[in-house]
Amino acid sequence: GENVEQHPSTLSVQEGDSAVIKCTYSDSASNYFPWYKQELGKRPQLIIDIRSNVGEKKDQRIAVTLNKTAKHFSLHITETQPEDSAVYFCAARRSSNDYKLSFGAGTTVTVRA
Amino acid sequence: SAVISQKPSRDICQRGTSLTIQCQVDSQVTMMFWYRQQPGQSLTLIATANQGSEATYESGFVIDKFPISRPNLTFSTLTVSNMSPEDSSIYLCSGKQGVNSYEQYFGPGTRLTVT
Repeated sequence: GENVEQHPSTLSVQEGDSAVIKCTYSDSASNYFPWYKQELGKRPQLIIDIRSNVGEKKDQRIAVTLNKTAKHFSLHITETQPEDSAVYFCAARRSSNDYKLSFGAGTTVTVRA
Repeated sequence: SAVISQKPSRDICQRGTSLTIQCQVDSQVTMMFWYRQQPGQSLTLIATANQGSEATYESGFVIDKFPISRPNLTFSTLTVSNMSPEDSSIYLCSGKQGVNSYEQYFGPGTRLTVT
């Protein structure tokens, strides 16, 4: 089955700086990679996703890049703000014939004011 | 995106009892899933809820412990049976809309504490 590794486990950044979270996956057939943000006590919220037919996707201050050859993808948050503080999870669609997701272990991001 | 609700939002239960969690979506979804999230941990898929048939369970989860129903496209239940303190966790349902869509949206979760 799909194995997703996520690094770092914690990340502290100064407000206004950038944050980068990296994930690797094991199944070369995976073709969908979402990122979720979970604030304390809240549900995971889909913030951005990418399919394997593109290398980069951007939405305002958030971007995701995908390297299919190396089987890794990254979340980039620019101009971080205190409200970006949360746990971020990457995930990968397990295989091409179902819609199950395998999740990374999560990254706790703290933005220092 | 689908709006997903769950009931109850939290509960404290005694060991040996069972709790049924309900999940309702506001629009038709093609697939529904149940996850467990232990404190400070990631999300672990329990099962796929199949409409009108038995759920498909992931390794380590069995129907006798986590019976699931999905009588129609927009509603599903998860029962945590014969609970022990190790079942204390957050249980979340999610839904995927559309045949060609991959996006999954989550309910708010049910925080279960077993004493």
